[in-house]
Amino acid sequence: GAVVSQHPSRVICKSGTSVKIECRSLDFQATTMFWYRQFPKQSLMLMATSNEGSKATYEQGVEKDKFLINHASLTLSTLTVTSAHPEDSSFYICSAKGGRDYEQYFGPGTRLTVT
Amino acid sequence: GQNIDQPTEMTATEGAIVQINCTYQTSGFNGLFWYQQHAGEAPTFLSYNVLDGLEEKGRFSSFLSRSKGYSYLLLKELQMKDSASYLCAVRDSNYQLIWGAGTKLIIKP
Repeated sequence: GAVVSQHPSRVICKSGTSVKIECRSLDFQATTMFWYRQFPKQSLMLMATSNEGSKATYEQGVEKDKFLINHASLTLSTLTVTSAHPEDSSFYICSAKGGRDYEQYFGPGTRLTVT
Repeated sequence: GQNIDQPTEMTATEGAIVQINCTYQTSGFNGLFWYQQHAGEAPTFLSYNVLDGLEEKGRFSSFLSRSKGYSYLLLKELQMKDSASYLCAVRDSNYQLIWGAGTKLIIKP
């Protein structure tokens, strides 16, 4: 299957700082990328849908000014957690929609810990 | 509202067969997905059903009945590495994935 990478895989930051997470589709062009957050023992929660070259669509309750998403190319989307707080500590996962309609490939995830 | 139901946890024996059920109520239907997620890792795609019936892929099979809002994932010849959470997700009329909470499958020797 298609490969999606995320970087970094783990990050620890101090409260009040910003963290950028990159999501790349390595062997296909992803017109749409999704950002999810997953708290321990819970299911995936969609944060936003990102289409290349346009503004991201955020889910209800997700602060767009806090979670900045940029999808500047067909292979790269970034999520920046601004002014991070301990409650932002979570597992952030991106996924990219492949060429075939039903395919959605996930990156390996980024574990963010805010101290 | 939209709802996906699946059991929280199941236990099965190595070498046996297990069926994980998923029922859904969504605004529209554009396919049902099963994903496997090992602890601390991202989900990996297992199967996709959009028409009624059974899709077989090696040891894993997935069944769909749209009229009943029901699907199951069947795992045969269970191996210890199959211990994971199995997520059912339905794509609604807006082509958005609605996720179940996942079923934690525990395999015992």
